[in-house]
Amino acid sequence: ETGVTQTPRHLVMGMTNKKSLKCEQHLGHNAMYWYKQSAKKPLELMFVYNFKEQTENNSVPSRFSPECPNSSHLFLHLHTLQPEDSALYLCASSQDSPLLAGVTYEQYFGPGTRLTVT
Amino acid sequence: QQQVKQSPQSLIVQKGGIPIINCAYENTAFDYFPWYQQFPGKGPALLIAIRPDVSEKKEGRFTISFNKSAKQFSLHIMDSQPGDSATYFCAASNISSSNTGKLIFGQGTTLQVKP
Repeated sequence: ETGVTQTPRHLVMGMTNKKSLKCEQHLGHNAMYWYKQSAKKPLELMFVYNFKEQTENNSVPSRFSPECPNSSHLFLHLHTLQPEDSALYLCASSQDSPLLAGVTYEQYFGPGTRLTVT
Repeated sequence: QQQVKQSPQSLIVQKGGIPIINCAYENTAFDYFPWYQQFPGKGPALLIAIRPDVSEKKEGRFTISFNKSAKQFSLHIMDSQPGDSATYFCAASNISSSNTGKLIFGQGTTLQVKP
């Protein structure tokens, strides 16, 4: 296990539903990320939180709403989604610091939530 | 200019073969180039990474070759095994100017190693 957990692992929701994805990291990191992984497309960065502050919003539609209450937890609130939002949503975390000599910078990914919008 | 182009999309090799996956980038500010490996049902995991001050890096059976002038880098898997069957992603980042090292990923290559 990578130390990053995501729940639920699978989610089916209708277009009018509201649901939330949860991510928790046990690595003591202070940067967390949401990515979207669709078939035959590159991983798309959605949001970045650094010390609980959102530092990146990659032009994500407002039907996706992130929340980062502390450095260990990250949520993605979903409402009025579209079928094209069906994808694997991945959470990742990393240590926010300049690259030190001999230290490899790394993002640790959770297993993802497979979301299907009907 | 933020794109990372990866090829091929899929690759099949026999056990013991040397699959090669290539990536190209445009942004000369990128200074960190990792490769991630993803098995079905799992998130991507860092395999090996390189910075532009070296042209090659080896870790076990995995080697990154880096050509700064051509803005290309590639992953070679020596003596490939069926257990190496997975999807491989290259990525690039400018970590010198960003504390969080935003990663730009390639499209991914699905590798199958036949016994």
